[in-house]
Order: sequence, then C-alpha cells, then structure tokens
Amino acid sequence: QITLKESGPTLVKPTQTLTLTCTFSGFSLSSSGVAVGWIRQPPGKALEWLALIYWDDDKRYSPSLKTRLTITKDTSKNQVVLTMTNMDPVDTATYYCAHKKYYGSGSYPTPLDYWGQGTLVTVSS
Amino acid sequence: DIQMTQSPSTLSASVGDRVTITCRASQSISSWLAWYQQKPGNAPKLLIYKASSLESGVPSRFSGSGSGTEFTLTISSLQPDDIATYSCQQYNTYPWTFGQGTKVEIQ
Repeated sequence: QITLKESGPTLVKPTQTLTLTCTFSGFSLSSSGVAVGWIRQPPGKALEWLALIYWDDDKRYSPSLKTRLTITKDTSKNQVVLTMTNMDPVDTATYYCAHKKYYGSGSYPTPLDYWGQGTLVTVSS
Repeated sequence: DIQMTQSPSTLSASVGDRVTITCRASQSISSWLAWYQQKPGNAPKLLIYKASSLESGVPSRFSGSGSGTEFTLTISSLQPDDIATYSCQQYNTYPWTFGQGTKVEIQ
C-alpha cells in the first residue's frame, strides 16, 4: 500500500525559505522508473505542478519557479525534500507530494496516482 | 507551456444525469491526459489516465475519451458522491499543466 505524507512549517515569513518533506511508504525511490513529484494549490485555485524527482536523480522543475526550487531525495529515509526560496504571500497554498504512476515496462508517460493529504503553507509577516 | 482549458467552470445537474466535461490543450498531447476528482479538503484522486484508461477502483460510470487537443470526461449517471471538482492534466511535456477545474454540483 502506497502512502505519502507532507510535513513542514504551516507559517513562513516573506523572503524566508520553505522546506517541505514528503515521507512515503509502499515503494522505493531506488527502483527503476519510480518518481515523486510536488504540486501546490492556492486556496480556491487550480493545481500547479512544481517539481519531480526520479529514481536515478533526474529532476524536472516548473520553469516559472526553477530558480527558487530544489528537489532532493533520501532513499534510505524514504523521503523527498522540496525547498523554495524567497517565499512571498502569493506562494500561500496547500502543497502536495505524489507518486508517479508506474506500469508495464515503465517506458510510457504516466501521471500521479497516489497523493499525500497536503499541507497548507501560509506566507505572512 | 501547454495550456489546458476546461469547460464549463461550473456544472449543475440532477442525480442520474449524464455529465460531460471538456478539456482542450493548446497543442497536441497525444493521449497523455489524466482526469482527477477532488472533494473539498481532500487531495486529488486519479480517475482516468492515458485519456481513456480507468484507474483501478474507479466506478465504471466514469469514462474518458479524446486525443490530440480535445478530451472529455463523462459521468454516465451522476451520483451524489460525484459532487467534486474535476481537473484535467497533461503529462506529455514538462512542465506538466492542469486545467482550471470544473465544479460539479447537484441541481
């Protein structure tokens, strides 16, 4: 059974750096084809994809946020960490981590099939 | 970036109605499209992937179709439990992008 859970601060001040941790179980991020991503959703707004990290440490970022984001993994701890620098009130959102679906030979594009419950991060002074 | 546009933004229908939501991509994404259901306060749930493949455990009243730039999600017989916001997502090209969502309400 795959589960993911986000953790981190609920309140950060403008200009601060946000660090979020995704702790997962039910799969290994050292297995071929596996990946974990981060997505956010401002209150009442649409989902926004942020970043993705693969088992082989290949990383993908949203171009609009690339200069502010860093995604890393710790396979021994079953964790993925997202850092976002220079936080602003517009970054107030629920942040989700999610597992990238894997099936067949893993050679096809796949979406996100298991999501964490999300964590609301408010940016305010 | 590929823009995903959903219509309508809000949909009001009766229990038992057939409901259709449309998602258009700003350029071809082949069949690499997913549909998610999101209930208030909850994380998105994957319903459909590869435009028409039903995720395991999802009721068969949900179906998806389309390819290229135009896609639809259909609920064959709307149930009270289907009240939610539905979002499409393209995963053909990075950056992945989502539609703005369609809120489905019971009339």
